[in-house]
Amino acid sequence: GDSVTQMEGPVTLSEEAFLTINCTYTATGYPSLFWYVQYPGEGLQLLLKATKADDKGSNKGFEATYRKETTSFHLEKGSVQVSDSAVYFCAYYFGNEKLTFGTGTRLTIIP
Amino acid sequence: KAGVTQTPRYLIKTRGQQVTLSCSPISGHRSVSWYQQTPGQGLQFLFEYFSETQRNKGNFPGRFSGRQFSNSRSEMNVSTLELGDSALYLCASSLAAIYGYTFGSGTRLTVV
Repeated sequence: GDSVTQMEGPVTLSEEAFLTINCTYTATGYPSLFWYVQYPGEGLQLLLKATKADDKGSNKGFEATYRKETTSFHLEKGSVQVSDSAVYFCAYYFGNEKLTFGTGTRLTIIP
Repeated sequence: KAGVTQTPRYLIKTRGQQVTLSCSPISGHRSVSWYQQTPGQGLQFLFEYFSETQRNKGNFPGRFSGRQFSNSRSEMNVSTLELGDSALYLCASSLAAIYGYTFGSGTRLTVV
């Protein structure tokens, strides 16, 4: 069935390092794709989204491009900060109004 | 504008009891979804309501139920609580899923 697979964590990086968190999806159609972030003790926040192939979502220095040919939506940031430490979830929505999440990737940034 | 409000933030209940959680969506959002989050299972979809009708349901036992009122506020109920029901319960609202969901801060339920 339809699903989303994201990079296993945890991921630990030094401040100012380049970040990539991989996300691939399996779907029969063309889903909308999302990245959500969850800070400790909080709910999820929408970080960015893309609704069709080749769309690039961006927010707070994070970017992700909807690649239909590789069915991917990898999250990237050029220079991470300590404040980016959180759990990141890739998610997709297609047709039936149910948002399906990946397992989450815990990111820790070391000063 | 006000975000999604979930009450209470924390709950401690005893096995066998029942519990009701509340969610007030963003004004104008008619879709409300509920998720259970646990360290072992991650985020699992419970159900989704739109204009007082349940539109989708996840794979949870009948002990888990919900409803939505005419003002879009939603409640979920868990009866005969089990230890395994201990989790963070998240509510999310949207105008339409394609625009993304806005989540509340969640209700942390502990069953002892």
